[in-house]
Formats: sequence, C-alpha cells, structure tokens
Amino acid sequence: AQSVSQHNHHVILSEAASLELGCNYSYGGTVNLFWYVQYPGQHLQLLLKYFSGDPLVKGIKGFEAEFIKSKFSFNLRKPSVQWSDTAEYFCAVGPGNNRLAFGKGNQVVVIP
Amino acid sequence: NAGVTQTPKFQVLKTGQSMTLQCAQDMNHNSMYWYRQDPGMGLRLIYYSASEGTTDKGEVPNGYNVSRLNKREFSLRLESAAPSQTSVYFCASSQQGINQPQHFGDGTRLSIL
Repeated sequence: AQSVSQHNHHVILSEAASLELGCNYSYGGTVNLFWYVQYPGQHLQLLLKYFSGDPLVKGIKGFEAEFIKSKFSFNLRKPSVQWSDTAEYFCAVGPGNNRLAFGKGNQVVVIP
Repeated sequence: NAGVTQTPKFQVLKTGQSMTLQCAQDMNHNSMYWYRQDPGMGLRLIYYSASEGTTDKGEVPNGYNVSRLNKREFSLRLESAAPSQTSVYFCASSQQGINQPQHFGDGTRLSIL
C-alpha cells in the first residue's frame, strides 16, 4: 500500500516569505499526485495535480509543485505568501485506481 | 453549482446511538468516498464506491457501514456510535479513471458523548 509523508506539520511565516512544503511517497509504480488545500472551516479544494509530462506543475493562487521521480517527492512551493494562504495543505497520492492516500497535512499560518 | 452535498453539518450523539450521514453529488460521478479527518491524522478512507452497485472497505472501516443508494447518493451509517468516532466526516466524488481528482463536500462534524 502506498504511504505519504509530509514534514513540518506546523509552519508559521510572515507575509511575502517563500513557502515550501515537502511531500514524499512510497509506491513503486506510476502514481498520480495531488495537493489539496483546506481553508479554515471549509472543505478540501484541489490546488494542483500531476499525472505525466512536465514535472513542474502550476496550480491556482500562484502555487507550483515539482515532481522528482528519483526522490519520490512532490514538493509544493509558493514564492511569496499572503495572509489568505493560511490553511492546511494535504499531499495525496493515487496509484491509479481512484483511491488516494493522504498525508497528515501541513498547518500553515501566515502572519500579516 | 451544488457539487457534493452532505447532511447534516453538525450532529451530537450519545454512545450507542445510531446515525446515517447522507451524501449526494450532482456531477454524474461514478466513484464516491467517505473519509474521516482527525487532528494530526490527515484524511483516512473509511469506505469507497468505485461505481454504482459496488462498495469496498478503506483504511478504517470498522464500526461503519455504507450504502450506494444510486449513482448520486452514498450514505455512511454508524450502527452503535462510540466516542472514538468523534470526527469530521467528508464525502467526496470523482469520475472513474486514473487521473480524476476528487471533489469534496463541506463535511459533517460529529461528536459522540
């Protein structure tokens, strides 16, 4: 079964700082990779996804993620965060049968 | 644009009571899912239904049952609620296929006393 690891569960940073959240997975086959965001009191929303092709994926709200196959990683980045980026971020991995394995999440707090 | 609709949004139960959480989607998706979200644990899959007429256990199915009533609706039942089932429950749906993202409902916050 696949597993997903997210590090640094709690991240606190100031506006305009850069953000990088790590995601590592364990699965030997072809995977589909996702980042979801959950704003306070809301449901999960898709930020971006990777299936194939260019390993640098751009998502909504200025987020991007890079798939590095050799490192089994799919790290999320944003060059300059805003207060409105305060949320919990989840990495998810799917081997292709519609089932997703989620990481435990990164709680990100952006201080104005 | 309803998407995935969950009812109720909040519920408090006593230990041993039964409860059914309802989920409906209007996106004509084949696959539906039930997750629970607990602090520091992320989302864990309880049950899923790859298509109408099929259901399968996920990571944490004990204490739960599901029914895929039709293509739109997928309900989750707690027959005898326990305090360990206090959680936020999310329903999701997706098109069938390997590249399809899941769309989530707003969640049901369930407390078991």
